Amino acid sequence: GNSVTQMEGPVTLSEEAFLTINCTYTATGYPSLFWYVQYPGEGLQLLLKATKADDKGSNKGFEATYRKETTSFHLEKGSVQVSDSAVYFCALKPTGNQFYFGTGTSLTVIP
Amino acid sequence: GAVVSQHPSWVICKSGTSVKIECRSLDFQATTMFWYRQFPKQSLMLMATSNEGSKATYEQGVEKDKFLINHASLTLSTLTVTSAHPEDSSFYICSASGSRETQYFGPGTRLLVL
Repeated sequence: GNSVTQMEGPVTLSEEAFLTINCTYTATGYPSLFWYVQYPGEGLQLLLKATKADDKGSNKGFEATYRKETTSFHLEKGSVQVSDSAVYFCALKPTGNQFYFGTGTSLTVIP
Repeated sequence: GAVVSQHPSWVICKSGTSVKIECRSLDFQATTMFWYRQFPKQSLMLMATSNEGSKATYEQGVEKDKFLINHASLTLSTLTVTSAHPEDSSFYICSASGSRETQYFGPGTRLLVL
């Protein structure tokens, strides 16, 4: 079946610290992988995506590489800011339209 | 990118009443719309998938008669929570997909049933 496992939060970091949020998946076939971000009181916004093995998605300083051999799509950022405080969701989408989301990881960045 | 709106963003209702939530694709035609439910500090759970002009497909465990979904046009889908109870209080999010299969998420509707 299809599922996503994310590292549990909450994660608290100081400004300019390095961020890693782990995500591993189980999927049938060759899914696309996504990271979505949810700011307080808002809906989900696409942060980045990768559609095939070894692709690297990047946006706003965040990066994630589609690793088929380890079935992982870890999110990284070299220097976080207070404005990055949000909940981050890893998701996969097999062929078709349905998404499978992880449970989300809450990130708080303190000045 | 494409824009999906939801209305209302917040609703408080009394137990036993029905609440309708609208999801609109503002600048594209959405052949498929999805409704998700999110409990506090949990992930999104897909409730149902609706295609324009046809009946929605509900996920296992979702009551069809309680969560009525209508997708009458290519830009509008509605979710009606009938006879709402406090346990229906949640954050409801829709997403819409057009011809390229990319999904765009709405900002969500927070429902509180008293």
